[in-house]
Formats: sequence, C-alpha cells, structure tokens
Amino acid sequence: AQSVAQPEDQVNVAEGNPLTVKCTYSVSGNPYLFWYVQYPNRGLQFLLKYITGDNLVKGSYGFEAEFNKSQTSFHLKKPSALVSDSALYFCAVRVISGAGSYQLTFGKGTKLSVIP
Amino acid sequence: EAGVTQFPSHSVIEKGQTVTLRCDPISGHDNLYWYRRVMGKEIKFLLHFVKESKQDESGMPNNRFLAERTGGTYSTLKVQPAELEDSGVYFCASSQDPGANTEAFFGQGTRLTVV
Repeated sequence: AQSVAQPEDQVNVAEGNPLTVKCTYSVSGNPYLFWYVQYPNRGLQFLLKYITGDNLVKGSYGFEAEFNKSQTSFHLKKPSALVSDSALYFCAVRVISGAGSYQLTFGKGTKLSVIP
Repeated sequence: EAGVTQFPSHSVIEKGQTVTLRCDPISGHDNLYWYRRVMGKEIKFLLHFVKESKQDESGMPNNRFLAERTGGTYSTLKVQPAELEDSGVYFCASSQDPGANTEAFFGQGTRLTVV
C-alpha cells in the first residue's frame, strides 16, 4: 500500500536558521510528491511538487524540496526561516486508486514553529 | 480568480442530527474531491467527482455520508445521522486535470463538531 510518513510531529527552529521538514514515502512505481502548507484558519495551500527531472524542486515562499529515490525521501527545506513560516506542513503522494482515480495520500503533518 | 470555497467554516451539531457541507470549486475545474481530517490523524480521501459523476467513492466511511454534485458545479456532502466519530475537518479540493502530476487546490475546510 502507498504511504507517506512525516516522522516529526513538531519542528522548532530559530528565525533566520535553515529549516527541514522530513518526509518519506512508500509507493509502487514512480512517485508524484507534493508539499502543502496550512496556515492558521486557512485551507491547504500548494507549495511544490516533484514529478520527474531535477531532484531539487523549488516552490512558493522560498521553499524547496529534495527528492531522493534511494532514501525514498522528499524533505522540505528553506535556507532561512521566517516567523511567518510557522504553520502545519503536509507531505503527500498522488496515487491511483482501484477505481482509476488519482487521489492524494497525506502524511500526518508536521507543525513548524519559527521562534523569533 | 476565486479559489475553492467551503461553507460553513464551522458547524456544531448534536449526535443524530443532519449536516450538509457545501463546496464551490474553482470555475472550470471538472474534478472535485472531498477529504477529511480527523483530529491528529492523516487527511483521508473520501471521494472524487468528474463533473457530476462519481469517479471514485472508495473513501466514503459508510452510507451515512452522501455526496452530490448536481450540474457539475458545486458539491454537497451530507452526513445523516451524524455520529461523534464524524467530527473533524472536511476539505474540498478541485483540479482542472485529474492526472497524477496535477496539483489540487483546496478550500479552507469545514470544521464539524458532533456533540
């Protein structure tokens, strides 16, 4: 079965420091990987995706993610964290169901707190 | 361009009552999805509409849940009768393309609390 794991429930980082939010996946076939962010009282916002090609994917708000096939990981990174980056981050993989529908399978989410 | 909108943003109902959630997708998006996040758990897929047809409803928990998308525009998700375990945040998403490499755009969610 396809699955996504986010091993950290919470990540704390000081403002200005680099941040990493971890994600590992288990899928059969090629993975289509996504990161979404949920700010307080807001919906899920798309950050970036990996489909194929360059292993380093750049997305919104200065975020990037590195696809590592051998480690089956897709960690989210940012060189310098901002207090406004504090939010809930979800990693997801898009998989095809038995009914032929591509649906997102999400991790549990990681709460990122950037400390001033 | 308006995003995906959901109504209401919050709903508190008693066990046994009926609740109807509404989702308006991005205009022109044929694909509409419902997801649910029970407190502290993963966001789980419920179902997928292509226009007015149900492409995949494999994630629907049981027959107390009924989703409709008349005319292929907005969608409703009815829970009748609601149970305590139905509490959670219900997200709607839409996309133009149903393919694997297409991102879905999500609404802000409806927080449902059954007491």
